[in-house]
Amino acid sequence: GAGVSQSPRYKVAKRGQDVALRCDPISGHVSLFWYQQALGQGPEFLTYFQNEAQLDKSGLPSDRFFAERPEGSVSTLKIQRTQQEDSAVYLCASNDGGSGANVLTFGAGSRLTVL
Amino acid sequence: ILNVEQSPQSLHVQEGDSTNFTCSFPSSNFYALHWYRWETAKSPEALFVMTLNGDEKKKGRISATLNTKEGYSYLYIKGSQPEDSATYLCAFGGFKTIFGAGTRLFVKA
Repeated sequence: GAGVSQSPRYKVAKRGQDVALRCDPISGHVSLFWYQQALGQGPEFLTYFQNEAQLDKSGLPSDRFFAERPEGSVSTLKIQRTQQEDSAVYLCASNDGGSGANVLTFGAGSRLTVL
Repeated sequence: ILNVEQSPQSLHVQEGDSTNFTCSFPSSNFYALHWYRWETAKSPEALFVMTLNGDEKKKGRISATLNTKEGYSYLYIKGSQPEDSATYLCAFGGFKTIFGAGTRLFVKA
């Protein structure tokens, strides 16, 4: 596609609900990243995929967070039993993996509000 | 723990003013320094990536400098316009990029 697409743009969940956030990266981009941006803070790294392999998940805040990219394109970030502290903007980014400096192309984000 | 600090947190200027903000980052194990612009309801967009000490980059009225020895970068906007209103994010590192909290710029017409 022309850019990185994320859905839904906005999600309101009741505490305890499960949510799934989708990211459709730029076609052909091998690297995919998820970031979490809480209010007033910068984006924080959650996890990184190269094709379908999840090479780093050290930023996932708890075992309630799970990400997958089964066919090396679309990725889903799943949050189980949501808590109020999960309220944030979840940003997805991709690149072709060839640039050593790792310049990222971002989606517009999914804003999650947990009540 | 690697930390990227940006100042000021927010800035209000009049149209036509020139402005600058600062990004501080660890001076050891430098890899790359990025600036992104994030307009409300849009995606963060890459402005510059700099890898060498003394690098200066320019895009239109916006420019950036890099000092890796002392661990800082400046972003300058000359003659601010209302469309420059956005959050400017600084980011440090390689594949596990570490972001600052951003400087929120408001330009009043």
